Formats: sequence, structure tokens, C-alpha cells
Amino acid sequence: EAEVAQSPRYKITEKSQAVAFWCDPISGHATLYWYRQILGQGPELLVQFQDESVVDDSQLPKDRFSAERLKGVDSTLKIQPAELGDSAMYLCASSLSLLNTEAFFGQGTRLTVV
Amino acid sequence: DQQVKQNSPSLSVQEGRISILNCDYTNSMFDYFLWYKKYPAEGPTFLISISSIKDKNEDGRFTVFLNKSAKHLSLHIVPSQPGDSAVYFCAASFQTGANNLFFGTGTRLTVIP
Repeated sequence: EAEVAQSPRYKITEKSQAVAFWCDPISGHATLYWYRQILGQGPELLVQFQDESVVDDSQLPKDRFSAERLKGVDSTLKIQPAELGDSAMYLCASSLSLLNTEAFFGQGTRLTVV
Repeated sequence: DQQVKQNSPSLSVQEGRISILNCDYTNSMFDYFLWYKKYPAEGPTFLISISSIKDKNEDGRFTVFLNKSAKHLSLHIVPSQPGDSAVYFCAASFQTGANNLFFGTGTRLTVIP
């Protein structure tokens, strides 16, 4: 069964360091999302891509976060510098297109900033 | 401001009984609703969805009910099984345009054998 792949599964980093997460969506899925889930809360959208273009990054803290999907397939989310408050689960999801609302999630990357 | 709310953080149900998980939303423009199930250390898994043109959708043991006038939806699991123990997230979306999901805070369901 096709899956959204994410790496690493777990990451511990010191504050002020840079950290990056990778996501490979389900093959053929044009829409890719990065969500952040803080413990005890629901996932919140950080950025949404349609192919290689950003559709929505209004909730992305652009002073420290960046995301790219250069060839419209896999994607990288970067944080530089990391802060203690960035500790969370970072989830990648994909869907067939903007017309398809069912999103499939990867297993996530659990980030701990110390 | 939380547009999708799950007011019960936890629910315990006896195996074989019905589990009812509730969700409320504030934005009347939402037109598609989904339930996701999440196990610890895993990403959410899609469970069932419903469009705003319907008031009920059923898939095996899972049924979602939508009451648009009350801006309320619920997920019924019958019969509940121990393997259903997980956190359940309600999510809402707009079917046109940027269709990102707005999630509730989740309800932890425990099914007691």
C-alpha cells in the first residue's frame, strides 16, 4: 500500500541549531501539506504545496521556517534557528489534488529542542 | 481561534458497546468533514468523511452524522473493539480552493475489554 514517507522519525536538537525534515508523498499526489502537532492539540497547517508552488504558507513562521518542493515531488521543511517552542510532531500529508480533500499522513517526525 | 472543537478530551467505553465522539464547528462555510484516528507515535489515519450535502455516512462499524443547523457532527462506532482505542480527530475543510484541514484537539477513546 502506498504511503507518505517521512524522515527522520525522531530528532533531538539544541536550540539555535538548524534542523531539516524530509517528506516523500504518495506517488502521483500533487498536493503536499506540512502540519505541526503540539502535544494535546490537533495538527495545524504550516504550508501547502500544489506541485512545486506554495498554495498557503500564511501560518508558517517565515523568520525561521522554510519549505520547498523544488521538483513537485518530495519536500523539505527547515527550521533555523530552532527554539524550545518548536518541539512538536511535524506531519507531512498528501492528496491527489486541490479538488480531493482526503489527505494521507506520514508517520511524522518527533522534534525535541533542548 | 479554534474553528473545530472536540470538547471531550477522553471517553471510556465497554467492549461491544457504542462509542459516540462529538465535534462542533463554528465556520458555516465548511463543506467537508473527516474523522482521523491516531495511534501513539504514528500519523493520523483517515477513517470516514461526509460532505455537507449529506447528513449520514456509514462504513462498516463507523457512522458519521452531520447536523448542519447545529454545526455538529458525531462519529458512532458500533460495536466498539479494544483495537479502536486511539485518539480521534475531527477535521473540517472547504471543498473548493485551498482545501487544508482544520483539526479539533482530539478525543482519546479507550475501549475496555
